[in-house]
Amino acid sequence: EADIYQTPRYLVIGTGKKITLECSQTMGHDKMYWYQQDPGMELHLIHYSYGVNSTEKGDLSSESTVSRIRTEHFPLTLESARPSHTSQYLCASSDYMRVGTDTQYFGPGTRLTVL
Amino acid sequence: QQQVKQSPQSLIVQKGGISIINCAYENTAFDYFPWYQQFPGKGPALLIAIRPDVSEKKEGRFTISFNKSAKQFSLHIMDSQPGDSATYFCAASKSTGGFKTIFGAGTRLFVKA
Repeated sequence: EADIYQTPRYLVIGTGKKITLECSQTMGHDKMYWYQQDPGMELHLIHYSYGVNSTEKGDLSSESTVSRIRTEHFPLTLESARPSHTSQYLCASSDYMRVGTDTQYFGPGTRLTVL
Repeated sequence: QQQVKQSPQSLIVQKGGISIINCAYENTAFDYFPWYQQFPGKGPALLIAIRPDVSEKKEGRFTISFNKSAKQFSLHIMDSQPGDSATYFCAASKSTGGFKTIFGAGTRLFVKA
């Protein structure tokens, strides 16, 4: 079982609020990812990181930002939440540099509802 | 060229039957093909993976069949059980250079008791 944690697990917030979704992994993995997923539907990559001080935008246009100041920590920030941001957000990590494959270990997700 | 096409979108199978999910890719540079299983309320988890140097990999009731020339691979679940009811994602990635893993759109499997 991979050690990747996301907080909060559930969040209900009003439109216009700034929020930060936390993701931490204790495995020393170099790559980390954020996905947006409606329950049981496609995974949409919104941000990823190859390592400390590296961040890249994914395929899904997003109004969010990320940072990677420490290997283990990859928070996602929404500056101004909108109802269209209502979804599940999944964080993942992989040990690509060491094992040479991008097997991703996912956290349990944060279910975000914006009213 | 970066897409991974997965079918069917949903699948209903009787208990004890065989579940088959198919994926196709275009980019011949892909060299790692994992399958992930996701239960409701959880993140996806690696189920089984294959490299293109083998045509089949089996782990318990789960088998990946890989056809390099056709650029297709499939997941077979033998003796399907209600506990296998989940969403399954195929994926493809490259082990060299900057890359992203490309996921299929997912298949929602329901195994009837």
